[in-house]
Amino acid sequence: TQLLEQSPQFLSIQEGENLTVYCNSSSVFSSLQWYRQEPGEGPVLLVTVVTGGEVKKLKRLTFQFGDARKDSSLHITAAQPGDTGLYLCAVVNAGGTSYGKLTFGQGTILTVHP
Amino acid sequence: DAGVTQSPTHLIKTRGQQVTLRCSPKSGHDTVSWYQQALGQGPQFIFQYYEEEERQRGNFPDRFSGHQFPNYSSELNVNALLLGDSALYLCASSPPWDQYYYGYTFGSGTRLTVV
Repeated sequence: TQLLEQSPQFLSIQEGENLTVYCNSSSVFSSLQWYRQEPGEGPVLLVTVVTGGEVKKLKRLTFQFGDARKDSSLHITAAQPGDTGLYLCAVVNAGGTSYGKLTFGQGTILTVHP
Repeated sequence: DAGVTQSPTHLIKTRGQQVTLRCSPKSGHDTVSWYQQALGQGPQFIFQYYEEEERQRGNFPDRFSGHQFPNYSSELNVNALLLGDSALYLCASSPPWDQYYYGYTFGSGTRLTVV
């Protein structure tokens, strides 16, 4: 079973629409990160959320960390073709033998059509 | 400020051959991790190097090995290549403090095709 379950796996929308991507788990995390990856490039960190209930905004992107720190969401307002890419949630293992290991969800492939 | 650089960008190898991929971390970063990513999927952790030692390893066979040099650069070696090893191989580096907040910096990857 996946530590992080992302949904939906695919999203194809028209320019100007809104969308939400979800990242869920049964585990509690001290922090959660969102990355965006464009074709031919490596993932780029968008945001880290650390506090339950926290909401962070990055221009048209809004990130929320669940109150219980088990889930997170990414909401994009008025999507643009430049938002097209693979969106990944990830957690960093906080201790034990897996200290520092970054575990990703399966990713959400977003396509925004002009 | 140069980020993480990986070489080569693309590589085609024959089944059974061996391959070496290279990574130079971002300036100031001392920890290097390697990931394997299938098309349209999230990256899978291979292993992490710190102070020239393999600190931890994911669920990959011993055919996958690595090395970190005193200048923090790293190599990923894969022996006896299988068709299933075809993937994008990503290198990520992190600073010696708080990767929980500052995250990891990724290179653009090496696209390996095994034929």
